[in-house]
Amino acid sequence: DAGVTQSPTHLIKTRGQQVTLRCSPKSGHDTVSWYQQALGQGPQFIFQYYEEEERQRGNFPDRFSGHQFPNYSSELNVNALLLGDSALYLCASSLEGPTYEQYFGPGTRLTVT
Amino acid sequence: KQEVTQIPAALSVPEGKNLVLNCSFTDSAIYNLQWFRQDPGKGLTSLLLIQSSQREQTSGRLNASLDKSSGRSTLYIAASQPGDSATYLCAVREDNAGNMLTFGGGTRLMVKP
Repeated sequence: DAGVTQSPTHLIKTRGQQVTLRCSPKSGHDTVSWYQQALGQGPQFIFQYYEEEERQRGNFPDRFSGHQFPNYSSELNVNALLLGDSALYLCASSLEGPTYEQYFGPGTRLTVT
Repeated sequence: KQEVTQIPAALSVPEGKNLVLNCSFTDSAIYNLQWFRQDPGKGLTSLLLIQSSQREQTSGRLNASLDKSSGRSTLYIAASQPGDSATYLCAVREDNAGNMLTFGGGTRLMVKP
């Protein structure tokens, strides 16, 4: 049983460009969350998707958007990239509900130059 | 606003030593607390999940305790090994914050042979 998978592993973009990151949840999981982790810091919650809708959002600008597909996989899109968007982007999946454990993928390392 | 703090930020110990990592949170209205391990540049591996009704959880050489009323959790690692070297993160899921996790900044652990 595959765990949470993310693609690509690494990505280098230029300021002002747009990027799409992808996530496939652990088998049987229907809820996907995205986190941003800057170097040396703990992850920060971006948003969560359930039943193909954004259910909760952290303190991130509208440049960050997402999507969830019927098979529960998800995309994170970032427009008008800034140098400060350079970070490790982590996807987590779980069953719906606050008592369930969240499982994280290996992350996508985004570098903006 | 929930704030999670981990002390110390970094720790270096000789192999074989028992050690304790600390995590504190400001709002005690939580569903659960989760401890993670992160190797450099990698994703998060879930170590232990403690529900708010529980006092502790154990897995092998790891034991995590939770004192919800005082806003504290500890991760005890017995007989530390060089392979335990990593960053350890704690995260809380609040009663009124959906499924998002709020993370501490982590403790970077180095176990020397």
